[in-house]
Amino acid sequence: DAGITQSPRHKVTETGTPVTLRCHQTENHRYMYWYRQDPGHGLRLIHYSYGVKDTDKGEVSDGYSVSRSKTEDFLLTLESATSSQTSVYFCAITGAGQGHNYGYTFGSGTRLTVV
Amino acid sequence: AQSVTQPDIHITVSEGASLELRCNYSYGATPYLFWYVQSPGQGLQLLLKYFSGDTLVQGIKGFEAEFKRSQSSFNLRKPSVHWSDAAEYFCAVGAGSGYSTLTFGKGTMLLVSP
Repeated sequence: DAGITQSPRHKVTETGTPVTLRCHQTENHRYMYWYRQDPGHGLRLIHYSYGVKDTDKGEVSDGYSVSRSKTEDFLLTLESATSSQTSVYFCAITGAGQGHNYGYTFGSGTRLTVV
Repeated sequence: AQSVTQPDIHITVSEGASLELRCNYSYGATPYLFWYVQSPGQGLQLLLKYFSGDTLVQGIKGFEAEFKRSQSSFNLRKPSVHWSDAAEYFCAVGAGSGYSTLTFGKGTMLLVSP
């Protein structure tokens, strides 16, 4: 989707190294999310943000941290990558407000391989 | 906690035949329900969503879904499947008020045979 981009699209990294994935949006949406997708597990929420500097954990947050210093960027960091973090990572945004949930718009994903 | 079950991991349908993908949810209040489609190597695209009102909702690409509160279901249907519909389909549930995280099912892979 043109309003949300993820970088890099593909990355191979070594076990134990830190990795940062970037999500950039041009929609000025308040809410941003990081999910990981694994076969047989569907999409699982890692972290999400409900505003600049406001973030919270999802169901699979261990080993991950996030930062949001401005509305348009939401960074996901793997502090010390492990093979279990090999996955496809999706960023999503929504303009949901009080009383509404319009669903997410997803980025194209980042395929991360930890060797 | 909210949850979604998609009972079928894979479904094979002949081209031109009708399709129904099942979704059951668990949620303590009125849910917001969504169906997404994912083609290989792509992100997820929103097919349709249910907020309130008419329990039969229409989406893109000729898809529709029916919300049945008594059965906690939100099944996706299409009267005639095309080969281009082959993809993975995800059902999701979330709250309606304020911001909300979506919980996704594990997905159903649709295969279309000639």
